[in-house]
Amino acid sequence: EVQLVESGGGLVQPGGSLRLSCAASGFTLSSYWMNWVRQAPEKGLVWVSRISTDGTDTDYADSVKGRLTISRDSAKNTLYLQMNGLRAEDTAVYYCARGTWQNGLDVWGQGTTVTVSS
Amino acid sequence: QSVLTQPPSVSAAPGQKVSISCSGSSSNIGKYYVSWYQHLPGTAPKLLIYESYKRPSGIPDRFSGSKSGTSATLGITGLQAGDEADYYCGTWDFSLSVGVFGGGTKLTVL
Repeated sequence: EVQLVESGGGLVQPGGSLRLSCAASGFTLSSYWMNWVRQAPEKGLVWVSRISTDGTDTDYADSVKGRLTISRDSAKNTLYLQMNGLRAEDTAVYYCARGTWQNGLDVWGQGTTVTVSS
Repeated sequence: QSVLTQPPSVSAAPGQKVSISCSGSSSNIGKYYVSWYQHLPGTAPKLLIYESYKRPSGIPDRFSGSKSGTSATLGITGLQAGDEADYYCGTWDFSLSVGVFGGGTKLTVL
C-alpha cells in the first residue's frame, strides 16, 4: 500500500527547532518530487516547500525561507523538514505530499501538528 | 490573502450540481495546470483533478475540471452528503516561484 506517515510534531517555544519526518512505504521516495503543505488552525492549505527527485532543487514559500529546510534520505525512504527559528505563525498541521503541480499532489500523509507557544 | 481566489462557500441540495470557481492570473493559472483537492477535517487531503481536467483512478466522473484563461472550475454533479468538505484549487506560480492554493471553498449539501 502506498503510504506517507509524518512524525516529529509537538509543542516548541518561539525561536526553537523541530525536525519533521515523512516516512514513505509502497513506493520509492526518490522517484518523486515531494512537498510539505501546512494548515494553520481554522485556515486553508498553504504550500510550504518542495524538493526534486534527486534533491538538488528546492523551493520555499517566502514566509519560511531561511528558517525551514527540506531534505530527503533515499536510503531511509524518508523526507524531512528541519524547522528553525520557529514563530507562533508556524503553528499548523504539517502534511507531506507526493507529486508535482502538473500531475497533482496524489498521495498525502495524515499530518503532524506543530504548536509554537511559550 | 491567497494568490488564487475561491468563493468561501457554496451549497446545493442532494442530487444537484455545484460549481466552484478558482481565479488566478497570467503567472499561475494562465500559464499552468490546475489541480483540485477535497479535504475533510482531520483527514488527508485527496486529489480530485490534475492537469486541469483529468481524474485520478478511483475518482468518480461526478467530479470534473475545466480551465479557461486565468480561471478554473470544479464541477460536482449528483451531490451526496459525503461530498460535504473543503475544496481547494492549486497550481504553480511562475512569478513568485512558489506553489499556491486557493483559500478553499466549504461545500454544504443542504
